[in-house]
Amino acid sequence: AQSVTQLDSHVSVSEGTPVLLRCNYSSSYSPSLFWYVQHPNKGLQLLLKYTSAATLVKGINGFEAEFKKSETSFHLTKPSAHMSDAAEYFCVVSDPGDMRFGAGTRLTVKP
Amino acid sequence: GAVVSQHPSWVICKSGTSVKIECRSLDFQATTMFWYRQFPKQSLMLMATSNEGSKATYEQGVEKDKFLINHASLTLSTLTVTSAHPEDSSFYICSARDRGPPYFGPGTRLTVT
Repeated sequence: AQSVTQLDSHVSVSEGTPVLLRCNYSSSYSPSLFWYVQHPNKGLQLLLKYTSAATLVKGINGFEAEFKKSETSFHLTKPSAHMSDAAEYFCVVSDPGDMRFGAGTRLTVKP
Repeated sequence: GAVVSQHPSWVICKSGTSVKIECRSLDFQATTMFWYRQFPKQSLMLMATSNEGSKATYEQGVEKDKFLINHASLTLSTLTVTSAHPEDSSFYICSARDRGPPYFGPGTRLTVT
């Protein structure tokens, strides 16, 4: 069985400051890991994915995440937050037949 | 990226009626499709996983006779909410994948009156 835990339900940052959204996972397999973003009243958009290649993964809109097997973590970071980054972020762990979502982290960006 | 569509985007129905939601992968063949339900300000909850040509696998607590899933082709899966009740009102999202990452539909908002 696999599961994913997002350690913060809500993160608030000021515009221009770094963003860190934390995610820990458990999996019996070598997992694929994803981060998705959901803006209000919109569908989910893929930010980035890890599928056993490079451990530092770069995604869209300046986001990146580092896969750390020893820590079973896949934290999402961005050097400088923009107002448009305010949204709900979901960490997902997956094998070919199963997907599990984290509870989500709401990112608020203050001007 | 790949595109997944859902139809309808929103639907209002009366209690006791049935509603069908379609999920289509527009530019790739989806061997696996997932159906999720999302309550306001909460995470997506997996309802069922379907593989083309076989019966869906339902998560614990999801009534298979109430939420009928059909994955008849590599590009289409349907979710039918039978005898809908107000507590079935929710946002339903599908996702589809082949070998790559799953791609999500825009969701269907169901309101049962």
